[in-house]
Amino acid sequence: DAGITQSPRYKITETGRQVTLMCHQTWSHSYMFWYRQDLGHGLRLIYYSAAADITDKGEVPDGYVVSRSKTENFPLTLESATRSQTSVYFCASSALGAPYEQYFGPGTRLTVT
Amino acid sequence: GQNIDQPTEMTATEGAIVQINCTYQTSGFNGLFWYQQHAGEAPTFLSYNVLDGLEEKGRFSSFLSRSKGYSYLLLKELQMKDSASYLCAVRAPYNQGGKLIFGQGTELSVKP
Repeated sequence: DAGITQSPRYKITETGRQVTLMCHQTWSHSYMFWYRQDLGHGLRLIYYSAAADITDKGEVPDGYVVSRSKTENFPLTLESATRSQTSVYFCASSALGAPYEQYFGPGTRLTVT
Repeated sequence: GQNIDQPTEMTATEGAIVQINCTYQTSGFNGLFWYQQHAGEAPTFLSYNVLDGLEEKGRFSSFLSRSKGYSYLLLKELQMKDSASYLCAVRAPYNQGGKLIFGQGTELSVKP
């Protein structure tokens, strides 16, 4: 049982390039989330999805695009990467029922040069 | 607005008890979570409180007072492996998407 996985784990890219971070979960959880974690800011929600084909913005959505065509996958795309998007990105998922805890993937460390 | 406050750092001694406080001011409330995050790793779920009172789970307990907008995480019989960041998070109501809003975390250092 793989749980929730993210790929790549590490990525270095240049300013202006498009980058896609992948997230896959094997639990058939309804909810999926993307966070970024930066020193001094904690975990901030970028986008989330309540089900396939249903997505909504979080606290810091600008510069990011998401899609969810299948329940198990929730890719995050940086359309034109900027240095300010250098961060650690965590994907998470949760089931529909209580207690609604979120299970986090191992994270992707992205550096934009 | 949404505001969640936790102390930035705490230090405690192995074998001791430590209490990490969290205060929140949010436009809605649908539960409070505590997560543990070791350096370089993903957060892992510790506890969930939706009603007032104390929830105990082994060496860890979490308390909630909704009227005061206050929670604490109590760690007993501290071990070196408890050195980590502890994140307090408030869940928004369903009509606000049920999202988690995280505090910045409390970095706990356990010393021998």
